[in-house]
Order: sequence, then C-alpha cells, then structure tokens
Amino acid sequence: GQSLEQPSEVTAVEGAIVQINCTYQTSGFYGLSWYQQHDGGAPTFLSYNALDGLEETGRFSSFLSRSDSYGYLLLQELQMKDSASYFCAVGDNTDKLIFGTGTRLQVFP
Amino acid sequence: EPEVTQTPSHQVTQMGQEVILRCVPISNHLYFYWYRQILGQKVEFLVSFYNNEISEKSEIFDDQFSVERPDGSNFTLKIRSTKLEDSAMYFCASSELAGVETQYFGPGTRLLVL
Repeated sequence: GQSLEQPSEVTAVEGAIVQINCTYQTSGFYGLSWYQQHDGGAPTFLSYNALDGLEETGRFSSFLSRSDSYGYLLLQELQMKDSASYFCAVGDNTDKLIFGTGTRLQVFP
Repeated sequence: EPEVTQTPSHQVTQMGQEVILRCVPISNHLYFYWYRQILGQKVEFLVSFYNNEISEKSEIFDDQFSVERPDGSNFTLKIRSTKLEDSAMYFCASSELAGVETQYFGPGTRLLVL
C-alpha cells in the first residue's frame, strides 16, 4: 500500500521554530510537496523537493532524504496566522498527489 | 494572480440525485485534477485529465463519476447518482506541466448528500 505518516498535532508559541516530519512508503517517488490548509480552505502549495537536501522559501524550509523516505517542513519565526493543517504529499511517477494524514499546527501567543 | 475557481461553493442534494461541480482552471494550464476531502480526513486523488481524456483515476472514481471539459475554460465533475458517502469537499486543481511539482487548488465545493 501507499502511506504517508505525519504527527497529528504540533503546538508552539509565536516566534518559535517547529518541524513537521513526514515518512512515506509509496510504490514510486517523484518528489515531496508540502501544502498548507486553513480550516475550510483549499490546500495551498508551500514547497517541493525532488532531490535530497534543504529548500528554503522565506520562513519555510523543506528537507528531503530519499534514502530514508523522509522529509520535514521547518517553520521559523512562527506567527499566529501559521495555525493551520500541513500536509506532505508525494508524487508517485504519475500526475497524482498522494497526501499524508496531515498535521494540525496550533500557534499560541 | 491567476487562480482556480469553483462553483458552487456549497451544494446540498438528495441521495440518488445527479450533481455537477464546476471548475475554471488557470488559463494556461493543461493538466486538470479532482480531489476530495471527507471532513477531518486527508485529501484523496480522484482523477487527472489531459488533452481531453482521463490520464489516471483512483478506485474512488467509479462508474458514477465522470469528468468533462465542455469548452475551453470549464472542467466539470459529475456524480450521476449521489450516495451519502459522497459528502465531502471537492477540490479542483490544475498545473501548467505534467507531474506534481506545483498543482494549484481551487477553493472547493462542499457537497452534502442527504
């Protein structure tokens, strides 16, 4: 089967750094994406890793290790508006995205 | 900034009725997708569409589902005879290139089947 596992919930305070992990087991692998989803909203693309290493986009960074089937999303200088669900998603050599179980991030003042 | 749009935002229907969900992908995108998300669960792939035909579909996308690009701008998902378990948020997405690097999602249609 295909599975992507994430912690169900993470909490942090404003200004802190938080890391959301994702481990995957899929029949194929093309790349790992991260999406943010606020309650009632659409998934919004954050970042994409096709190769091992760290990709940085402003306050958000994403890491991939293909040999470990593992990646993470790092959020720095947390703000209240970062409270949302975060999904990792794998492209498995086709056009579709396979989404993870999602991590609910709560940022407290 | 261009965006994917979807109508209606909410749809309530009776079990057994047909529904059509509409999407307008980003204008220069060639690849189109439908996903669904049951409340509190993860996003699930339904179908991908390119060059006026389905390129891939999931197990969820059975004979009750169909997709169509009736003109140069719209992309529709039809559920022929809705079931209670079809209640979910349905997201349309589009991308300029094939693959998964960046798919842009619409705001979704919340479907409730009674």
